[in-house]
Amino acid sequence: GAVVSQHPSWVICKSGTSVKIECRSLDFQATTMFWYRQFPKQSLMLMATSNEGSKATYEQGVEKDKFLINHASLTLSTLTVTSAHPEDSSFYICSARVWGQGSTDTQYFGPGTRLTVL
Amino acid sequence: GQSLEQPSEVTAVEGAIVQINCTYQTSGFYGLSWYQQHDGGAPTFLSYNALDGLEETGRFSSFLSRSDSYGYLLLQELQMKDSASYFCAVSIYQKVTFGIGTKLQVIP
Repeated sequence: GAVVSQHPSWVICKSGTSVKIECRSLDFQATTMFWYRQFPKQSLMLMATSNEGSKATYEQGVEKDKFLINHASLTLSTLTVTSAHPEDSSFYICSARVWGQGSTDTQYFGPGTRLTVL
Repeated sequence: GQSLEQPSEVTAVEGAIVQINCTYQTSGFYGLSWYQQHDGGAPTFLSYNALDGLEETGRFSSFLSRSDSYGYLLLQELQMKDSASYFCAVSIYQKVTFGIGTKLQVIP
């Protein structure tokens, strides 16, 4: 099946610094990628939809200036958490959306990045 | 907007069958998906229903009734490794919205 990589898998940073997370589709092209945030024992909360070659679409309540998303190619999307604060500590997961045979809508998820802001 | 409801927790015995229900309210519905997530891991795709009826993939089956805005995931011959959270998700054109997840605990 399709593989999505995410890097780094975990990161610890100081408050006020910026962190960049990369999401790559390894063996396929992804026109659309999603970025999610997940707190312990909670569901996936969609942060933004990243479309190759265009601006990301952010969900209500997500600050676009704080969570910068770039989808410069069909295999790479990046999320930069700017001026991170402890409340930004979370599990960040990307996914690539693939419309398959029979109009099957599948998302292939990266392994996630656990961000801890001190 | 979209909203989904699924039970928060389910416990079942190894070897048994368990059904996890999902009801949804949405506009522009394309289909219903199911994902499995083990603690500390990322979600993995299980199934997708665009049309009414049952889709079977090994021990897992998923059902959809568009008229009832309802679906379920059926897990047969439960194994201990099936202990995980299971999310239903509705697809609309622009995005996918996930339910709160059902934590399944399989006991011996």
